[in-house]
Amino acid sequence: GNSVTQMEGPVTLSEEAFLTINCTYTATGYPSLFWYVQYPGEGLQLLLKATKADDKGSNKGFEATYRKETTSFHLEKGSVQVSDSAVYFCALSDGWGGSNYKLTFGKGTLLTVNP
Amino acid sequence: DVKVTQSSRYLVKRTGEKVFLECVQDMDHENMFWYRQDPGLGLRLIYFSYDVKMKEKGDIPEGYSVSREKKERFSLILESASTNQTSMYLCASSSTGPNNQPQHFGDGTRLSIL
Repeated sequence: GNSVTQMEGPVTLSEEAFLTINCTYTATGYPSLFWYVQYPGEGLQLLLKATKADDKGSNKGFEATYRKETTSFHLEKGSVQVSDSAVYFCALSDGWGGSNYKLTFGKGTLLTVNP
Repeated sequence: DVKVTQSSRYLVKRTGEKVFLECVQDMDHENMFWYRQDPGLGLRLIYFSYDVKMKEKGDIPEGYSVSREKKERFSLILESASTNQTSMYLCASSSTGPNNQPQHFGDGTRLSIL
């Protein structure tokens, strides 16, 4: 079955530091890959996505590249801000077999950015 | 923007009660989902629905049921609430299409069973 493994947190950084959150996956077929972010007290929001190998998703200064050869989708940001403090989830969807389009999530990584 | 609205942000119920969690989406999405979120376990899929009156079990359906009588509304039912169902519950919806359709989430219901 499908699975997503992301680095365990918590991750604590100082403002303007470089961020990497690792994500690797196992899937049948050709999945789409997503990063979601959950700010305190809120639901999940889509941060970025990539639908095929070598695609790069980007949003709000975050980037992730779909690497089929290493089955990875690592999240990066060059300079984090205090407002980026949140839980980040990596997810995949393979959409096989009908219209269910279930997502498989990683367990989440808590990021805290200190001023 | 897609809006997924969950009826309560916080809910406190007693063991043995029948509990209803409601979710409404305003984008005519075919697919709707219920997850629970627990520390260290991430999100786990309880049930999902890909059409009105259709439902399929997710990874942890035991102790739960669902209802989808209208396209925009998906209800999660705890038939007889137990303390191990204390959790954050998240509803999501998505459209049918290529598998790059993201899910859109509500703000969650934090349910406490006493």
